[in-house]
Amino acid sequence: GQQLNQSPQSMFIQEGEDVSMNCTSSSIFNTWLWYKQEPGEGPVLLIALYKAGELTSNGRLTAQFGITRKDSFLNISASIPSDVGIYFCAGQPRSGGSQGNLIFGKGTKLSVKP
Amino acid sequence: DAGVTQSPTHLIKTRGQQVTLRCSPKSGHDTVSWYQQALGQGPQFIFQYYEEEERQRGNFPDRFSGHQFPNYSSELNVNALLLGDSALYLCASSRDRDYGYTFGSGTRLTVV
Repeated sequence: GQQLNQSPQSMFIQEGEDVSMNCTSSSIFNTWLWYKQEPGEGPVLLIALYKAGELTSNGRLTAQFGITRKDSFLNISASIPSDVGIYFCAGQPRSGGSQGNLIFGKGTKLSVKP
Repeated sequence: DAGVTQSPTHLIKTRGQQVTLRCSPKSGHDTVSWYQQALGQGPQFIFQYYEEEERQRGNFPDRFSGHQFPNYSSELNVNALLLGDSALYLCASSRDRDYGYTFGSGTRLTVV
């Protein structure tokens, strides 16, 4: 089945540093979404991207929908301790029928040292 | 405004048993999707319900079934539980044709 390759798997950074993570797919996606999940909670939507080339910001977070429609990246600037968590990319495949079928990456675990 | 509510939060079942998980969507949402999240993995789509019907289904066996009620709440049923069914089961609600999914905190199912 369709898969998303998300990297890196984990990151250990110093507070104040910038973070970058990305997702790639072998097939075209209509929509890219970025979620954050903290222990004991469900994923929380951070940014949604709907058009190829789209660049969207949400506070210190910036994400882009790749022009090939097969990739996306998420940047976090000036990281703070509360950024700790697992970040997931998710996509709606072009051939996915209704919008229910989101494909998720395996996540990037972010640790921030104060 | 309550978000997505799932019950129970934790559950332990024995192999071969059946389980029912419940989900109340966020107010104003009419579409419910269920996902399975194994430890260390991203969520995997099980199925989606809209207007009390299963609209789309992921690659899960028929042991996984669901239902949506007129008030938009939903149930996930799993029959003949296997050890591999142990996972966090997430419910996500949205308004139809909207990608603004809101996830619940999940039900942690352990099969022993």
